[in-house]
Amino acid sequence: RKEVEQDPGPFNVPEGATVAFNCTYSNSASQSFFWYRQDCRKEPKLLMSVYSSGNEDGRFTAQLNRASQYISLLIRDSKLSDSATYLCVVNSQNDYKLSFGAGTTVTVRA
Amino acid sequence: ETGVTQTPRHLVMGMTNKKSLKCEQHLGHNAMYWYKQSAKKPLELMFVYSLEERVENNSVPSRFSPECPNSSHLFLHLHTLQPEDSALYLCASSQVRGNTEAFFGQGTRLTVV
Repeated sequence: RKEVEQDPGPFNVPEGATVAFNCTYSNSASQSFFWYRQDCRKEPKLLMSVYSSGNEDGRFTAQLNRASQYISLLIRDSKLSDSATYLCVVNSQNDYKLSFGAGTTVTVRA
Repeated sequence: ETGVTQTPRHLVMGMTNKKSLKCEQHLGHNAMYWYKQSAKKPLELMFVYSLEERVENNSVPSRFSPECPNSSHLFLHLHTLQPEDSALYLCASSQVRGNTEAFFGQGTRLTVV
């Protein structure tokens, strides 16, 4: 079983729609969780950290469910510029190892 | 400015060439990583250096040789590569024992001909 698994999508949504997707992780001892965004042919960039209580940053909301071992990302009022691949990242084993999911592709259409 | 700088940004090399990729971070981090990303594939972790010591080598062929002379610099030496090694090579850094995120350089897009 992969350490981090994501639905690859693609999620094709119209502008203004809400889109949400999850990521599951296998190691129950995981401590840190992040969502990264990667645009085509560019490097991944941190979108937001995910905290136990859930957190919101503008139109983006992240949730953590430790019991079921998944994190989620919800994007409200989608913009064309939200089109990207969203990577789930988990600190799975120790302090230095970050495990990346394969990414979920989101395409927002006009 | 991401704080992690990679050079060169693009590289075309023949299978008999020897070249090196360079990564430099200005964030005061003590862990550095090399990742490979082939077209339409997820990131693959290649090497991890923590406190300047190589702590992970993910079964990477010996034609890739990393070097970490200090906590701010990381190199990836390349020799006798194959066309299937063509990919985006990304360097990242993070702070060990802080559960902090990793910051990536802009990558080197490598083409082996």
